[in-house]
Amino acid sequence: DIQMTQSPSSLSASVGDRVTITCRASQGISNYLAWYQQKPGKVPKLLIYAASTLQSGVPSRFSGSGSGTDFTLTISSLQPEDVATYYCQKYNSALLTFGQGTRLEIK
Amino acid sequence: EVQLVQSGAEVKKPGESLRISCKGSGYSFTSYWISWVRQMPGKGLEWMGRIDPSDSYTNYSPSFQGHVTISADKSISTAYLQWSSLKASDTAMYYCARQELGPDYWYFDLWGRGTLVTVSS
Repeated sequence: DIQMTQSPSSLSASVGDRVTITCRASQGISNYLAWYQQKPGKVPKLLIYAASTLQSGVPSRFSGSGSGTDFTLTISSLQPEDVATYYCQKYNSALLTFGQGTRLEIK
Repeated sequence: EVQLVQSGAEVKKPGESLRISCKGSGYSFTSYWISWVRQMPGKGLEWMGRIDPSDSYTNYSPSFQGHVTISADKSISTAYLQWSSLKASDTAMYYCARQELGPDYWYFDLWGRGTLVTVSS
């Protein structure tokens, strides 16, 4: 089974900072990767699919990159409403897997 | 409105059976997979399995195979997640989420609000 490992597990940053979260697959998954945001007590929300395609309605400060085994989610200028846990998810096969999540807080 | 509407919270005892539901509306129910995702208290998201409502084909995560059953009734645009004998460790929030049928699109673009299942003696 392909494992998805996110880093860091948690981070704290200041408003306006550039934030990067990494997701690594144990084997290549091409660009079959999505990112989700889950705010406290809320339903997960799709941010990015196909590694770098922004879902409709998602602010342009979010971006994704990568292919193969290494992927990143970047927030170009952190806003208070971005406090959430972020998950990556692979979908290159019928066995769908999430990363363990990265908790993002404001300093 | 395009939405997935889940059944309400449940409180059950260990050993009891349970079926929770997820009703799709505002879109063609048989054009999308419906997956179930578990989130235990304070923990991350775990994909459990999914169903193609057009023909009821299912595939499960090995972690959940044999422990739950996923089914669907396309005539009423509803998918189900079922347990025959609950355990305390099944206490969690359960989300349904849809994915397009084509393999390039197996990300979750629409989520239900979740059903909280509490199993306690």
